[in-house]
Amino acid sequence: AQTVTQSQPEMSVQEAETVTLSCTYDTSESDYYLFWYKQPPSRQMILVIRQEAYKQQNATENRFSVNFQKAAKSFSLKISDSQLGDAAMYFCAYRGEGNKLVFGAGTILRVKS
Amino acid sequence: GAVVSQHPSRVICKSGTSVKIECRSLDFQATTMFWYRQFPKQSLMLMATSNEGSKATYEQGVEKDKFLINHASLTLSTLTVTSAHPEDSSFYICSASGQLHTEAFFGQGTRLTVV
Repeated sequence: AQTVTQSQPEMSVQEAETVTLSCTYDTSESDYYLFWYKQPPSRQMILVIRQEAYKQQNATENRFSVNFQKAAKSFSLKISDSQLGDAAMYFCAYRGEGNKLVFGAGTILRVKS
Repeated sequence: GAVVSQHPSRVICKSGTSVKIECRSLDFQATTMFWYRQFPKQSLMLMATSNEGSKATYEQGVEKDKFLINHASLTLSTLTVTSAHPEDSSFYICSASGQLHTEAFFGQGTRLTVV
């Protein structure tokens, strides 16, 4: 079974600074997708960024980028120029052949002004 | 992006009664829908997967007779919590995806309180 591990329960970042959230996963599949979801206090799950495992190029969405290391099974999220609105719970998720999403435990990100 | 609507957003029910939560895909056909339960400051725990027209597949430890899931059409799935007890109080979230989607789209969630 696939597992997703987020080893940082909480992280803090100063406004306008950069922060990296860590995620590792375990799988025997070769084709899969990885995602970062954001859950603000409203608890609505919002897709931040996705990565297809067969693509070597790291995904980027504006201030959000990932460092995808397939061999190491690592998928970290970098948030640049952090804003107050980035404060939320961030979940790393894996989607494999079964189409089920497997979530990590989450990282609470606090942004200081 | 695709829109998933979940209702109600909040519900309070008495112990022993049943409550139904609806999850609708508004602008796409959801071939697969998922139901999650989330405790405060914790991750989403998958309860079951439902495919249109077939029985739901429940995760280990989830009581299928307590949490009835129906996926009668390509745009609607329902979760019914039967004979609710205070320990069923939680935040329930649905997600849906279509055949052409790589990601899942989430409903707004339902906060269930059983008194």
